[in-house]
Amino acid sequence: DIQLTQSPSSLSASVGDRVTITCRASQSIDTYLNWYHQKPGKGPKLLIYAASSLQSGVPSRFSGSGSGTDFTLTISSLQPEDFATYYCQQSYSTPFIFGQGTKLEIK
Amino acid sequence: QVQLQESGPGLVKPSETLALTCTVSGGSISSHYWSWIRQPPGKGLEWIGYMYYSGSTNYNPSLKSRVTISVDTSKTHFSLKLSSVTAADTAVYYCATSSHDSLRDALDIWGQGTMVTVSS
Repeated sequence: DIQLTQSPSSLSASVGDRVTITCRASQSIDTYLNWYHQKPGKGPKLLIYAASSLQSGVPSRFSGSGSGTDFTLTISSLQPEDFATYYCQQSYSTPFIFGQGTKLEIK
Repeated sequence: QVQLQESGPGLVKPSETLALTCTVSGGSISSHYWSWIRQPPGKGLEWIGYMYYSGSTNYNPSLKSRVTISVDTSKTHFSLKLSSVTAADTAVYYCATSSHDSLRDALDIWGQGTMVTVSS
């Protein structure tokens, strides 16, 4: 099975900061990498699909990049509503596992 | 726009079978892949498996011996059954799908989730 490793596992940042979260796959997954965020008590919400495509309705401050084994999610200027837990997920081969999550907290 | 809603018992006894239903509104299960994901309290997301509308399935190997995902004959519900549950199966269970009919598409439609506690 493919393993996903996210880093960091937690991150403190301020409104207006630029933030980058990375996700590394244990083998090549082409660009079959998706990013979600989840706020407390809510279900996950898709942000980026296919490594770099912005989901409809998601603000343009979110961007994704990468292919093969290394991927990044960047938030260009943090907003108060962005403080949440972020997950990557591979959809290259089953099981379509998720990374362990990155908790983004307010500094 | 398709919407999903999970339902089922909030409390299941150890060794029994957990059974949940996902109701599909705004569409029907006549195409696409239909998935279940769970999240233990305070932990990350675990992919359980999916069912294609035709009935074919694929499960996480860690749960494969205990999981069944199936579609209702009305094609407006699909279900999850997890047998021989233990406290480790306590989690919020989500159903999800993609608005695109491709196996590798991201999950852009999620239910709100339902909490299931395994306890005697």
